[in-house]
Amino acid sequence: DTGVSQDPRHKITKRGQNVTFRCDPISEHNRLYWYRQTLGQGPEFLTYFQNEAQLEKSRLLSDRFSAERPKGSFSTLEIQRTEQGDSAMYLCASSAFDRGEGYTFGSGTRLTVV
Amino acid sequence: RKEVEQDPGPFNVPEGATVAFNCTYSNSASQSFFWYRQDCRKEPKLLMSVYSSGNEDGRFTAQLNRASQYISLLIRDSKLSDSATYLCVVSSSGNTGKLIFGQGTTLQVKP
Repeated sequence: DTGVSQDPRHKITKRGQNVTFRCDPISEHNRLYWYRQTLGQGPEFLTYFQNEAQLEKSRLLSDRFSAERPKGSFSTLEIQRTEQGDSAMYLCASSAFDRGEGYTFGSGTRLTVV
Repeated sequence: RKEVEQDPGPFNVPEGATVAFNCTYSNSASQSFFWYRQDCRKEPKLLMSVYSSGNEDGRFTAQLNRASQYISLLIRDSKLSDSATYLCVVSSSGNTGKLIFGQGTTLQVKP
């Protein structure tokens, strides 16, 4: 499979628990993006990496959120002490930006905090 | 004001109809423009890029007016399978590659 993979597809967690999501981008893509999408809204930018460097973080990304891309390949997004407001679809996308293309998104991780 | 504004709809049209969606953006420095399609509970998928000269892909035509900061998508001969949410997308200024998404416009094509 040469697309963007995300794991898990669905996650239900209790408020206060920590969760971690994984994204495997298209192998030759050097840029990796995380977005969050709530019902009825478009995806909102969270953060992005160029290779292993995290170059920008949105103000939406509170201290409870952290993202890594340790070897410039897969990435993880961790949410600590989850809150009900964190319930959303978390989307990962990758691109070879120097080719001027749009993103390829993964299928997303749907998080429900109960 | 949102950076990318779309009418959320829904647009309910009969099969075979022509439907147009519009979008405005606020950042005049944006360089890249796209329409994405999103089916219910699925990820967004690139429908087409949008160029100043306009571009067409089968039944779909996209137009960009940089002076008015306005983007459009025209769908001719609507099919039931065109029912989805259409997201207007604009690149952020600079070299981040960051994309800014509109709220999306929902299209429902009825038999």
